[in-house]
Amino acid sequence: ETGVTQSPTHLIKTRGQQVTLRCSSQSGHNTVSWYQQALGQGPQFIFQYYREEENGRGNFPPRFSGLQFPNYSSELNVNALELDDSALYLCASSSRTEKETQYFGPGTRLLVL
Amino acid sequence: GENVEQHPSTLSVQEGDSAVIKCTYSDSASNYFPWYKQELGKRPQLIIDIRSNVGEKKDQRIAVTLNKTAKHFSLHITETQPEDSAVYFCAAFNTGNQFYFGTGTSLTVIP
Repeated sequence: ETGVTQSPTHLIKTRGQQVTLRCSSQSGHNTVSWYQQALGQGPQFIFQYYREEENGRGNFPPRFSGLQFPNYSSELNVNALELDDSALYLCASSSRTEKETQYFGPGTRLLVL
Repeated sequence: GENVEQHPSTLSVQEGDSAVIKCTYSDSASNYFPWYKQELGKRPQLIIDIRSNVGEKKDQRIAVTLNKTAKHFSLHITETQPEDSAVYFCAAFNTGNQFYFGTGTSLTVIP
């Protein structure tokens, strides 16, 4: 096991609602990245957090936001949920010295009805 | 931005044969190229990676080659086994701290 954990494992929401997903990074890792993986697709980069600040962002609207805490854990918040937000949300942690080498968590599967 | 294309989308091989998956990228600033294996319902697992200053890297039955000039890189699996069956993703990492993944290759190894 890589040590990255995520919660919850599954979630069902309705359109317009807000959701918060959580991620605990692997021990010794201080950088967390979030990805959206639609069914049958590759992961799409949402953003990366380092030292509690956003450190890179993909092509996602501002209703996707995040936080990183002093213990390096992280949250992904999505406001005004849309049906297309239904996906597997993955977080990955890495160390600052090797930020490219990412280890993924098990993911949170979000279904928006 | 970066664009990573991956081929083929599906691949079936007989056990013991080799499998090759190819990816191309567009951003010459990309400098790190990992490959992930994702089994059904599980997290992507890093299986091998290569940096832009290296042309080839091997780890047992798995190897990756990189052609920076042509902007393409490939995953080679030799002596395939049924447990190699999974979806494989390539990715490219650029200096903007952004990862771009390919669309995946579903590999089936037939016993």
